[in-house]
Amino acid sequence: DIQMTQSPSSLSASVGGRVTITCRASQNINNHLHWYQQKPGKAPNLLISSASILQSGVPSRFSGSGSGTDFSLTINNLQPEDSAIYYCQQGHSSPLTFGGGAKVEIK
Amino acid sequence: QVQLQESGPGLVKPSETLSLTCTVSGGSMRGYWWNWVRHPPGKGLEWIGSIGPTGRTDYNPSLKSRLTISVDISKNQFSLKLTSVTAEDTAIYYCARDPPATGSSEFDQWGQGSLVTISS
Repeated sequence: DIQMTQSPSSLSASVGGRVTITCRASQNINNHLHWYQQKPGKAPNLLISSASILQSGVPSRFSGSGSGTDFSLTINNLQPEDSAIYYCQQGHSSPLTFGGGAKVEIK
Repeated sequence: QVQLQESGPGLVKPSETLSLTCTVSGGSMRGYWWNWVRHPPGKGLEWIGSIGPTGRTDYNPSLKSRLTISVDISKNQFSLKLTSVTAEDTAIYYCARDPPATGSSEFDQWGQGSLVTISS
């Protein structure tokens, strides 16, 4: 199985600030890396697919980058509604696997 | 806009079979892979398995011996059966859609989730 390691597991920043979450795969997954946002009591929501493709309706302050084994999700101009847990997921090979999540809090 | 909705018992006894159904509305099931994902309390997300357009299945090896995923296109539904459940199977169970032709597997539409508790 491909292991996905996210860091940090939690972080906080002020409104208007920037946060970056990293995700490392245990082997090369090309660009088959997807990012989700999950808010309490809700299902995960796909934010970015294939490492950098912003999904329709997702604010442009979210961006993703990386390939191979190292990826990152950046949120610029942090807003109160961005408080959530963010997960990465590899879609390269079965079994599909998720990172452990990164909790973003707004100061 | 396609919508997914899980249904099934919220409480299952240990050693019995967990059964859930996902009903897809607002769109066709054809051409997609349909997935189950679970979220145990205090743990991370776990992919359970999927079923594809031809009925081919792909299961997480950690659950494969206990798992069956099936589809009924005529009813716009797909289902999950997990046998011999234990407390470790307590989780929120989500159904999710994997769009075609992206070259990767991701989940662009999700159900709201169904909490299943394993307890006597």
